[in-house]
Amino acid sequence: EVQLVESGGGLVQPGGSLRLSCAASGFTYTTYYMTWVRQAPGKGLEWVASINQDGSKKNYVDSVKGRFTISRDNAKKSLYLQMNSLRAEDTAVYYCTRENWSQDYWGQGALVTVSS
Amino acid sequence: EIVLTQSPGTLSLSPGERATLSCRASQTITNNYLAWYQQKPGQAPRLLISGASNRATGIPDRFSGSGSGTDFTLTISRLEPEDFAVYYCQKYGTSPPHTFGQGTKLEIK
Repeated sequence: EVQLVESGGGLVQPGGSLRLSCAASGFTYTTYYMTWVRQAPGKGLEWVASINQDGSKKNYVDSVKGRFTISRDNAKKSLYLQMNSLRAEDTAVYYCTRENWSQDYWGQGALVTVSS
Repeated sequence: EIVLTQSPGTLSLSPGERATLSCRASQTITNNYLAWYQQKPGQAPRLLISGASNRATGIPDRFSGSGSGTDFTLTISRLEPEDFAVYYCQKYGTSPPHTFGQGTKLEIK
């Protein structure tokens, strides 16, 4: 069974940093792109970042470029999102997803709240 | 960047009725790289359709997708009580960002 479990969410002040993690299991992790998608409270879905199988190719939505970094550890079957210079508008549930062209499996999400 | 516009914003129907949801792209989506997702309150989204018309594993056949180019449709042939949710379309493929539409809320009339 495919499982994606996020951790690391929480409350952070504007300008602060946070690192999200996602533990993957139930599939051959090294053969898939992985992606982060977020959803602000009461709003729609926003694709945030993706990373290819060996971590050599990364893409970001414009609003997070230069502030967020996606990475992966294939030995640990883990995906990460390092978030720096956080803003109030980054407040959202962040979902880890497996990318099989579309997003075919999703984690339960991790809530990140940016507030003073 | 391709912008996806979903309509209507809210659709009010009764169980047993047919639902038709639209997703229009600002540019042609190549290779029909268009997906549909369902999201219920407090839950993560679930993939319904990929490649514009291919049902994901375990998705009932009352869900169908169609369209190409810039105009795509999700049809639910006979609404079940569990189908009332928010539906999103998304373009994917080799050219990020893989944007989502703003969503259509399907509510019980």
